[in-house]
Amino acid sequence: DGGITQSPKYLFRKEGQNVTLSCEQNLNHDAMYWYRQDPGQGLRLIYYSQIVNDFQKGDIAEGYSVSREKKESFPLTVTSAQKNPTAFYLCASSIDLGVGGLRTDTQYFGPGTRLTVL
Amino acid sequence: KQEVTQIPAALSVPEGENLVLNCSFTDSAIYNLQWFRQDPGKGLTSLLLIQSSQREQTSGRLNASLDKSSGRSTLYIAASQPGDSATYLCAVSRTSGTYKYIFGTGTRLKVLA
Repeated sequence: DGGITQSPKYLFRKEGQNVTLSCEQNLNHDAMYWYRQDPGQGLRLIYYSQIVNDFQKGDIAEGYSVSREKKESFPLTVTSAQKNPTAFYLCASSIDLGVGGLRTDTQYFGPGTRLTVL
Repeated sequence: KQEVTQIPAALSVPEGENLVLNCSFTDSAIYNLQWFRQDPGKGLTSLLLIQSSQREQTSGRLNASLDKSSGRSTLYIAASQPGDSATYLCAVSRTSGTYKYIFGTGTRLKVLA
């Protein structure tokens, strides 16, 4: 089955700790994204990556870091610098960003990770 | 700055009713618009994608329309069923700069049996 997997489903973090959320896809998609979802708010883009070894900050990148060493993997680290990390985190992928960032394709989402700071 | 609004925030309807969900955006310079479904505690599932050059897209009981000039899209659900109960989100993509989708806050739909 092709798709996107995220792990863990639930994650608890103590204040001051860094935690890493996993995102893996076997769709052979070039582009991958991380979003954060808070109650009553839309999804907000944290980071995105168009190709291996390249990634760009989204709208709320402060306190987060990513890597893209393999096409199928795009882990997100929530650092201690993120002041309010409790949220639902969603990973997505799409075929590619297209030429000049204009062409966009359907985004496929993972099941999400719920992070709670204790 | 692009803003996406979805009204109403929540909606309850009896089974079998036809319904319309609304999405409005402030900047008409979009490349495409997507409608998603999200079940509680789950990821998003893409329902329909409309390119800016298109007026509508259909999939089964779902029909999405796009009026770029007025900054509006509607998602029409025919003959609603309890299984349609979920949150529906719309998202628009930007045409300038690098790729990004801007999401609305969603409409939470409950279809009563």
